[in-house]
Amino acid sequence: ETGVTQSPTHLIKTRGQQVTLRCSSQSGHNTVSWYQQALGQGPQFIFQYYREEENGRGNFPPRFSGLQFPNYSSELNVNALELDDSALYLCASSPRTRDRAKDTQYFGPGTRLTVL
Amino acid sequence: GQQVMQIPQYQHVQEGEDFTTYCNSSTTLSNIQWYKQRPGGHPVFLIQLVKSGEVKKQKRLTFQFGEAKKNSSLHITATQTTDVGTYFCAGLNSGGYQKVTFGIGTKLQVIP
Repeated sequence: ETGVTQSPTHLIKTRGQQVTLRCSSQSGHNTVSWYQQALGQGPQFIFQYYREEENGRGNFPPRFSGLQFPNYSSELNVNALELDDSALYLCASSPRTRDRAKDTQYFGPGTRLTVL
Repeated sequence: GQQVMQIPQYQHVQEGEDFTTYCNSSTTLSNIQWYKQRPGGHPVFLIQLVKSGEVKKQKRLTFQFGEAKKNSSLHITATQTTDVGTYFCAGLNSGGYQKVTFGIGTKLQVIP
């Protein structure tokens, strides 16, 4: 196990609702990244947080937002849910070292979101 | 933007046969990582390659990073049924923030 935890494990929402997903990073890791993995696809980068600030964003609309807390845990919020938001949402934590090329991400088990 | 292509998308092999999946990036990478995801599971980190031309081995798995740091491969010798799953490569960009771009994955089925 990686030490990265996510909650809830499964969630069912209806179109238009809002959802908050949570992630606790591995001890000693100050960076959290969020990914969306649709069925049969590779994970797609949503955004990354480092020391409580957004530190990069993928091609996702503003209704996808996030937070990182002083203990480095993180939340992903999605507003106005659409059917296409149904996916596995993964968070990954990593340390931030001097040699950034050697940083390794460790994934949590994911939250499976179904939008009806 | 950065794109990472991975082939093949699916591979069926007889147990004992070898298997290879290939990854190509449109841009030079800082590193490349390989993950394995079992059905219903999450990506599990296998290895990270950082240096140009690097080759690493883990038992029956051999990982290579190209000289130009734009391509990579994973080769499994003498596949076993426990190798079943989807193998993803993921490239770390060279830019200011740590964006990892995943390939589409290669789904490996091993026929006993």
